[in-house]
Amino acid sequence: DIQMTQSPSSVSASVGDRVTITCRASQGISSWLAWYQQKPGKAPKVLIYAASSLKSGVPSRFNGSKSGTDFTLTISSLQPEDFATYYCQQGNNFPPMCSFGQGTKLEIK
Amino acid sequence: QVQLQESGPGLVKPSQTLSLTCTVSGGSISSGGYYWSWIRQHPGKGLEWIGYIYYSGSTYHNPSLKSRVTISLDKSKNQFSLKLSSVTAADTAVYYCARYTPTLDFDYWGQGTLVTVSS
Repeated sequence: DIQMTQSPSSVSASVGDRVTITCRASQGISSWLAWYQQKPGKAPKVLIYAASSLKSGVPSRFNGSKSGTDFTLTISSLQPEDFATYYCQQGNNFPPMCSFGQGTKLEIK
Repeated sequence: QVQLQESGPGLVKPSQTLSLTCTVSGGSISSGGYYWSWIRQHPGKGLEWIGYIYYSGSTYHNPSLKSRVTISLDKSKNQFSLKLSSVTAADTAVYYCARYTPTLDFDYWGQGTLVTVSS
């Protein structure tokens, strides 16, 4: 099974800050990595798919990148509505399985 | 706009079978390209993929749940279902249904339903 190690588990930041969250895959997953935002009591919402593609309607301050088996979500200038929990999720084609990272809670400093 | 809605009992007794249904509107589960999925979230914890089913009926599930998971389709009702057998308190969670896309992400989700396992 492919494991995703997400870090940090929590981060405190201020409005306007730049924040980076990382996921490392235990083995190569090509670019099949998505990022989600989840607010309390709500279902997750996909922000980035295929490592770096921005989902329609998602603000451009969200950016995804890949380097080897390391994947990064960067929020360039935090807005009040960005304080939430973020998850990465890897997909695999053969067999078609998937798994999530442990989550990163982004809190207001 | 695709919408998904979970339904089923909110309370299940230990050792019994948890049964949930997801009703899809705005799109057909019979069209190819998507896996229809179940994901759960234990209280205050992260997301756990349970499994999914393709329109052809092929299913895949998280090995950690062993053989307790059954996912099925009802194309006539545009629904898919989850059965999780021999539940324990550790199966208490919010259960989500979601659509898994060809780019291997979950683009539409239900609102989630809390299932509590307790006698």
